[in-house]
Amino acid sequence: AQRVTQPEKLLSVFKGAPVELKCNYSYSGSPELFWYVQYSRQRLQLLLRHISRESIKGFTADLNKGETSFHLKKPFAQEEDSAMYYCALSATSGTYKYIFGTGTRLKVLA
Amino acid sequence: KAGVTQTPRYLIKTRGQQVTLSCSPISGHRSVSWYQQTPGQGLQFLFEYFSETQRNKGNFPGRFSGRQFSNSRSEMNVSTLELGDSALYLCASSFNQAGTEAFFGQGTRLTVV
Repeated sequence: AQRVTQPEKLLSVFKGAPVELKCNYSYSGSPELFWYVQYSRQRLQLLLRHISRESIKGFTADLNKGETSFHLKKPFAQEEDSAMYYCALSATSGTYKYIFGTGTRLKVLA
Repeated sequence: KAGVTQTPRYLIKTRGQQVTLSCSPISGHRSVSWYQQTPGQGLQFLFEYFSETQRNKGNFPGRFSGRQFSNSRSEMNVSTLELGDSALYLCASSFNQAGTEAFFGQGTRLTVV
């Protein structure tokens, strides 16, 4: 079955500490993976996608096909990183659809 | 270019009533998806429409339904409202291509009392 799993509902870290938000997926093929972010009172928006291999706001994510993971990382957390983060998968074959994880709330403490 | 627009932004309904929410996608986007967002369950997929056809459906009861019009605008309907239906309902639009970004609306906050 196609699935995206984010095991942590809440992750609290101190400012300046490293952050890793976990994402595992289940998909019989080669999916496109994304991270979306929702800041307080703002709409859900794209943070980064694996295909572009870019760093956005200091965040990076590497697709590990062997472990079927796409963890989001940042070496030094900032208070403004506090938000809800969703990992998502876009199917590349068969019926096109987006599958989202249930999200992880990141709280960066001063 | 205008973003995804959802109306209304806020709704208060009583149990047993029905409600219709509207979503206008970004111009040129033909895929529209609906999600229910709650603090406890996160983002849950309701259904996805493309070219006026429902292509995918999440694990929600039949009280939840939707449709898409020829101009790609979409509506979702919830009948016989229950208290547990209180949530933020999000609409997202995208091009019909894998790997493309989904653009979200601000959502409709539904409160059932």
